[in-house]
Amino acid sequence: DAKTTQPPSMDCAEGRAANLPCNHSTISGNEYVYWYRQIHSQGPQYIIHGLKNNETNEMASLIITEDRKSSTLILPHATLRDTAVYYCIPSRGNQFYFGTGTSLTVIP
Amino acid sequence: DAGVIQSPRHEVTEMGQEVTLRCKPISGHNSLFWYRQTMMRGLELLIYFNNNVPIDDSGMPEDRFSAKMPNASFSTLKIQPSEPRDSAVYFCASSYGGGWYNEQFFGPGTRLTVL
Repeated sequence: DAKTTQPPSMDCAEGRAANLPCNHSTISGNEYVYWYRQIHSQGPQYIIHGLKNNETNEMASLIITEDRKSSTLILPHATLRDTAVYYCIPSRGNQFYFGTGTSLTVIP
Repeated sequence: DAGVIQSPRHEVTEMGQEVTLRCKPISGHNSLFWYRQTMMRGLELLIYFNNNVPIDDSGMPEDRFSAKMPNASFSTLKIQPSEPRDSAVYFCASSYGGGWYNEQFFGPGTRLTVL
């Protein structure tokens, strides 16, 4: 499975866009990029996933570079409830390996 | 839908005792996962089942750990005997499909403390 590099922590002002980067330069061609988040003391929550194309859902947008070596998760209008640890996970299937993630703090 | 249900939510036991954690996946899901989370090691996949069959248990730390899924609506993770280093939050997750892209739904976790 591909290794990932994410900044350990980030701050974002409430109402602004939060852009969370992830480097996955060793990703293989058949690995999707998944994003999950974990709010304190809760189980992880699925956000979005993609393979090559950019994706958008009601929670976030996912931008994947053309060479697929990195991606960015965008929360368009961050709220206090978006404070969480965000995990970027390249995966071929059911086996998810969570790294250390990025701890996002949304500031009022 | 009630989501993934785990019990107990908290468990405190003494070293050497047997511990059984329980999980009820979301109805209709055919894959089930057990994870363990600690500060030191983060979130680790222990084992996963597809259609009630264990597919990969390479994450199970040692023989003291065992997991079963007797039917599609129930799974257990057992630790016998328990040790203080087993203290962690154990999450169960389920998904539908067993294929390449599956959204895993996580339960609230069981916080285990072994004294």
